[in-house]
Amino acid sequence: DTEVTQTPKHLVMGMTNKKSLKCEQHMGHRAMYWYKQKAKKPPELMFVYSYEKLSINESVPSRFSPECPNSSLLNLHLHALQPEDSALYLCASSPGPRGKTNYGYTFGSGTRLTVV
Amino acid sequence: TQLLEQSPQFLSIQEGENLTVYCNSSSVFSSLQWYRQEPGEGPVLLVTVVTGGEVKKLKRLTFQFGDARKDSSLHITAAQPGDTGLYLCAGTNSDSTSGTYKYIFGTGTRLKVLA
Repeated sequence: DTEVTQTPKHLVMGMTNKKSLKCEQHMGHRAMYWYKQKAKKPPELMFVYSYEKLSINESVPSRFSPECPNSSLLNLHLHALQPEDSALYLCASSPGPRGKTNYGYTFGSGTRLTVV
Repeated sequence: TQLLEQSPQFLSIQEGENLTVYCNSSSVFSSLQWYRQEPGEGPVLLVTVVTGGEVKKLKRLTFQFGDARKDSSLHITAAQPGDTGLYLCAGTNSDSTSGTYKYIFGTGTRLKVLA
């Protein structure tokens, strides 16, 4: 299995809702990432998990809450989002933590989130 | 400050034409990747270059890493409609303040190949 699987593919939620995005990989990768991508822009890093521990939080608002239950799963819990949070949310994984030598990430297909 | 600048930002060409996309920086990168992203999908890794001056070929795509490892180019020969998408370069760079490694995405090049 060489894929990163994200669910759901599309999500519409109200500003008072609570929802979760899920990401799964079975490649044995020990680093997993959440990115946010706005239209026609490059992905922006949100969180990095290394060996199931949160290693980087890029000053993301607390209405986004990541969770790594085990080495294969990564969740992003959403609560009280704003319309400007509407974007494509991408999960990615890599064999090991970020270091000098990087052979690239495997990305999922993303969750298209719309906040109404 | 955007460390990886891509040019051009947009490119619309006819099927069969050749094109080159550039990825430039004033910083040295230990490795650099190119990705292609189609609408509504995640980026797909095309290639990794590590050594200065390295050239890699993937069918009609030729990737080059600059001798000083500060820049890279992607050349597509005889473009096809299936090449349409957002091309992103990305690289690993050492943060001078923290000493940690950061993974930086380029500004992106949006390519449209017309049949």
